[in-house]
Amino acid sequence: QVQMVESGGGVVQPGRSLRLSCEASGFTFSGHGMHWVRQAPGKGLEWLAVIWYDGSKESYADFVKGRFTISRDNSKNTLYLQMNSLRVEDTAVYFCARFLGGDPTGTLDYWGQGTLVTVSS
Amino acid sequence: QSALTQPASVSGSPEQSITISCTGTNSYSLVSWFQHHPGKAPKLIISEGSKRPSGVSSRFSGSKSGNTASLTISGLQAEDEADYYCFSYGGSATWVFGKGTKVTVL
Repeated sequence: QVQMVESGGGVVQPGRSLRLSCEASGFTFSGHGMHWVRQAPGKGLEWLAVIWYDGSKESYADFVKGRFTISRDNSKNTLYLQMNSLRVEDTAVYFCARFLGGDPTGTLDYWGQGTLVTVSS
Repeated sequence: QSALTQPASVSGSPEQSITISCTGTNSYSLVSWFQHHPGKAPKLIISEGSKRPSGVSSRFSGSKSGNTASLTISGLQAEDEADYYCFSYGGSATWVFGKGTKVTVL
């Protein structure tokens, strides 16, 4: 069955970096675009970034552009999110999600359970 | 694109029907809807505006009129109490969620 497991979350000081991973199984990872989404405490879901199935293109929400980098290793069935210059407001549960279809009609059909990132001094 | 607009909360009694609106969608994009129970992974319940994935109850239905998409839950049940989010293509290879609607079953 389709499964995605995030890891790499934890407590980090403001200004530091953290890399999240999302290991996928149960489907052809190299055939799907992948997204990162987060949810801050008490807040709603927030779209962060997407990477194309072959890693040829990436796109980001304006508020993380230049600080976060999405990447993937299709040989390892793994998605990454490199987060630099972290801020207190980046504290959130971070989810990876599989993209099904194409823009503008595609959707996120499977999600991981999420990994908690806490940015605090 | 800024977040899509949803009502903060909607409530209903068991067996009633409720509708959640999502405004600000592009005319060319189709909306997805997610159900999210706290502490769990969000679950896709509607894709492409009105398609239900396999295994999703027929009590959930989606529609769109103009730049407003809607999710209707019929025959409201206790397990439907959750947060619901719309999701749409925002243009220029970006996507956007609605701010979320908390559904309470009275």
